[in-house]
Amino acid sequence: SQELEQSPQSLIVQEGKNLTINCTSSKTLYGLYWYKQKYGEGLIFLMMLQKGGEEKSHEKITAKLDEKKQQSSLHITASQPSHAGIYLCGAVYGNNRLAFGKGNQVVVIP
Amino acid sequence: NAGVTQTPKFQVLKTGQSMTLQCAQDMNHNSMYWYRQDPGMGLRLIYYSASEGTTDKGEVPNGYNVSRLNKREFSLRLESAAPSQTSVYFCASSGTGGTTIQPQHFGDGTRLSIL
Repeated sequence: SQELEQSPQSLIVQEGKNLTINCTSSKTLYGLYWYKQKYGEGLIFLMMLQKGGEEKSHEKITAKLDEKKQQSSLHITASQPSHAGIYLCGAVYGNNRLAFGKGNQVVVIP
Repeated sequence: NAGVTQTPKFQVLKTGQSMTLQCAQDMNHNSMYWYRQDPGMGLRLIYYSASEGTTDKGEVPNGYNVSRLNKREFSLRLESAAPSQTSVYFCASSGTGGTTIQPQHFGDGTRLSIL
């Protein structure tokens, strides 16, 4: 969706390094999801953010939603090869319908 | 835990043929969705069903029809397949939680090629 921009489009990091990817909306979100997709597979739900300023963590992945509810970042600490894949953000604008960004492709080099 | 099950996983069609993609969920979710995923385009919503008996168009509904057969099943039909409909199709479902949004759970996708 053009309403959501994900950056950078692709990212190559060395194993053990930290990385951050971003999802920016052109208008205020009702909520935001982060999903991970491996090539040829379905989408795996990671985290959901709904409140401005909210931050959630799961294992080495932390996602934040800014106060204005227009931008989210996803940070991976000490990346591992298992973190490689495409990260998709999905924004909820109403009626629980999602508009997706085009994804951030993450490659982790051993 | 089956979650969302899509069939078939792969299919090749000739232009003009018809086909129905099947989706079933076992999570007692009210809402179900069909998306297509194309390179460089991300995921786009084709149709969704907020509850049993209701369906609504999404971003790219042309060339598709849907049926919410019951609470568990939501099918997507291509009446006359076109090469532009070559894509990966994903079905998803979600519950309803008042003012709290609920995550959508996705199937593994159907890879459809139309020659």
